[in-house]
Amino acid sequence: KQEVTQIPAALSVPEGENLVLNCSFTDSAIYNLQWFRQDPGKGLTSLLLIQSSQREQTSGRLNASLDKSSGRSTLYIAASQPGDSATYLCAVDNDYKLSFGAGTTVTVRA
Amino acid sequence: GAVVSQHPSWVICKSGTSVKIECRSLDFQATTMFWYRQFPKQSLMLMATSNEGSKATYEQGVEKDKFLINHASLTLSTLTVTSAHPEDSSFYICSAKGLAGGHNEQFFGPGTRLTVL
Repeated sequence: KQEVTQIPAALSVPEGENLVLNCSFTDSAIYNLQWFRQDPGKGLTSLLLIQSSQREQTSGRLNASLDKSSGRSTLYIAASQPGDSATYLCAVDNDYKLSFGAGTTVTVRA
Repeated sequence: GAVVSQHPSWVICKSGTSVKIECRSLDFQATTMFWYRQFPKQSLMLMATSNEGSKATYEQGVEKDKFLINHASLTLSTLTVTSAHPEDSSFYICSAKGLAGGHNEQFFGPGTRLTVL
């Protein structure tokens, strides 16, 4: 059974600092990995999807890397802003289903 | 594109009653839809996978007689929580995959907050 772990569980940084969020998974036979953002009481917003054959994906200030062999992905958010405050979830697709981590709750202080 | 809606966004009901939650893919046809539940400060747990026109596949530990799932069309799936109890209070989120299915991206709805009194 796939286990997905996200460390740290919570992170507080001053505005402008770069954010580094980590995700690890136990079964490396994945098809893709996805990063989501979730605001309190809301649904999920997809940020980046990395196919298993890719090493990274970039969108604006966001960059996600994937090392399938070691079972790790990292989400980098450059020059953080207060609007980046949210919970970030990673999810891996294997066996046609998504397994989610518990998330990292980020607070960016103005 | 790829918008998924849920209705209602929140519902409060009395213990023992049944509640139906709808999940719709607004601008694409979805052969597969998924239902998740999320407890406060916890991650999403997959409850069941539904394919249009066939019975849903439930994850281990999920009571299929309590959580009835119907996927009657390519744009609509419903989750009915039967004889709801306070422990069923949770945030329920659906997602949908397009006709290509497979390992393609899932698109998520905004969620439904269920409170059972």
